[in-house]
Amino acid sequence: QVQVVQSGSESKKPGASVKVSCKASGYRFTAHALNWVRQAPGQGLEWMGWINTITGNTTYAQGFTGRFVFSLDTSASTAYLQISSLKTEDTAVYYCARVGRLKGTADSWGQGTLVTVSS
Amino acid sequence: DIVMTQSPDSLAVSLGERATINCKSSQSLLSSSNYKNYLAWYQQKPGQPPNLLIYWASARESGVPDRFSGSGSGADFSLTISSLQAEDVAVYYCQQYYSSPFTFGQGTKLEIK
Repeated sequence: QVQVVQSGSESKKPGASVKVSCKASGYRFTAHALNWVRQAPGQGLEWMGWINTITGNTTYAQGFTGRFVFSLDTSASTAYLQISSLKTEDTAVYYCARVGRLKGTADSWGQGTLVTVSS
Repeated sequence: DIVMTQSPDSLAVSLGERATINCKSSQSLLSSSNYKNYLAWYQQKPGQPPNLLIYWASARESGVPDRFSGSGSGADFSLTISSLQAEDVAVYYCQQYYSSPFTFGQGTKLEIK
């Protein structure tokens, strides 16, 4: 069955970097794009952007350009989110989610990765 | 960017009663090429990732109980739970995927009265 499994929680200091992984299984990795979504503590969902798993092309929402980078290792069916120069306001749960080809929207979500940024 | 506005922000409904959540977009989500509305509904329970309920505004995701239904077209949409069950307590989000960035509504918290 389709599974999207993310790496575990991270605790970082301001200015550091973090790399979150998102491993897919149960389907052909390159057949579906991946979305990234952020949820700050007690807040709603915020779409960060998406990555084309065939070409590696990326689209970032405003506010997620520069310090946020999506990447792939297709041989490992894994996507990555790297955040550099971390700020306290980056503290959030980060989700990756598979986009259903016939649905056009995210249909299988990872469990989320909590990134805590604190001095 | 397309702005998605949900109403109400919170809602308390008695068990077995109907619950309706509304979602309005700042522009039409109806494609003239395929006549589909690019609107999804998600349910999120505490400590869990969102779960897809409805896509293309009215298509129910596999495994979702048929008490959940989506309706609407253009810029006005609704999610209806026909008979509220205790397990439906959650926050519900609409999301447009018509144009990037694929924005979410602010969420509606559904509770039992």
